[in-house]
Amino acid sequence: SQQGEEDPQALSIQEGENATMNCSYKTSINNLQWYRQNSGRGLVHLILIRSNEREKHSGRLRVTLDTSKKSSSLLITASRAADTASYFCARLETSGSRLTFGEGTQLTVNP
Amino acid sequence: ETGVTQSPTHLIKTRGQQVTLRCSSQSGHNTVSWYQQALGQGPQFIFQYYREEENGRGNFPPRFSGLQFPNYSSELNVNALELDDSALYLCASSATRTGVYHEQYFGPGTRLTVT
Repeated sequence: SQQGEEDPQALSIQEGENATMNCSYKTSINNLQWYRQNSGRGLVHLILIRSNEREKHSGRLRVTLDTSKKSSSLLITASRAADTASYFCARLETSGSRLTFGEGTQLTVNP
Repeated sequence: ETGVTQSPTHLIKTRGQQVTLRCSSQSGHNTVSWYQQALGQGPQFIFQYYREEENGRGNFPPRFSGLQFPNYSSELNVNALELDDSALYLCASSATRTGVYHEQYFGPGTRLTVT
């Protein structure tokens, strides 16, 4: 079973609105990453935030990390219908080399 | 496109059979990780290979085994297939250097259906 939690499980918004997804975890991490997946296809890497960073931006994406609360959030601004996909957080724990994924958030952006 | 390729794209097998999935890593990458993703769930780590040696394993039984070749491509073998093995199998390649973590780049996956 997964050791992280993402919420919400599903999110439906209108084009132009912002979408926020949250991820929580229980262990110490080296870094945390966000991935996107369209319809059961391969994962696309979006952004990586290291444990000593608090915020990172990439285009319309903004990721925050709060290691004291063991949580991260992904904000997609000015969403587009093409942003419709599943979004996963994945953490690299300090003790190993594996990525541990959450259950994902299914985002639907309605035109 | 990440440069990571997987074959085949889809596969249908019968319970009890054996299957081999293949992954070609991105140029310059020496590490391959395999993940299993059941429908509606996040990927779960199976194992990782670094320079042809297993470098970490998830909670999967021994009938899941792997290989990495000198060109860093990799195979995932599953024996005695069970219905619950039906999933999307993803491989990811990365460039591992001591003390430095590099991003994992995922292939498109192999969809395995066990009937």
